[in-house]
Amino acid sequence: QSALTQPASVSGSPGQSITISCTGTSSDVGGFNYVSWYQQRPGKAPKLMIFDVNNRPSGISNRFSGSKSGNTASLTISGLQAEDEADYYCSSYTSSVTLIFGGGTKLTVL
Amino acid sequence: EVQLVESGGGLVQPGGSLRLSCAASGFTFRSFAMSWVRQAPGKGLEWVSTISIGGGGSAYYADSVKGRFTISRDNSKNTLNLQMNSLSADDTALYYCTKGVLRYFDYWGQGTLVTVSS
Repeated sequence: QSALTQPASVSGSPGQSITISCTGTSSDVGGFNYVSWYQQRPGKAPKLMIFDVNNRPSGISNRFSGSKSGNTASLTISGLQAEDEADYYCSSYTSSVTLIFGGGTKLTVL
Repeated sequence: EVQLVESGGGLVQPGGSLRLSCAASGFTFRSFAMSWVRQAPGKGLEWVSTISIGGGGSAYYADSVKGRFTISRDNSKNTLNLQMNSLSADDTALYYCTKGVLRYFDYWGQGTLVTVSS
């Protein structure tokens, strides 16, 4: 099964909002509300930012939000900060009882 | 505080075997599914395997490792294991132990590096 499709890179200035898309199929993103997003800073383990499409774990800033429409999920970061610069990965449960990740998006804060 | 500490990584020849372990603490280990996720150098994340709760929990595998890798858990020792056989260069990666099911992983270890090379 191919990876979910994410843009390779996005960028924004401090204070702006950016959105990262994650496109799959009806067998994964479109078929279940089990999309999650992870932030990975260089040399660090990934960190859960959003689960089940639009839920934030305790301690995650409300500047991070998730949504889904059809086969595409999105992560929006508002009020961009320098510390948000990282790689972001989406993932989804699949109809094959597996989990699939996106290829990752590098966020640059200008 | 949840802690996941992986061990067992190292250099192994193609066709060889390796057993990874993950020591868990800070939560009721037996009550949660556990998983392994790997990341090849400079590449993205790849889900490897998940085991459900219970001593003989149901196991799920990515197609890329099915038939070669075996996930297991020892609830008496709060330990997650991954037995890896018939290793190839494509298995070279940092292997993360994670707490969670096939919906999401809420805690991650720091990873253990597996290098397959002659």
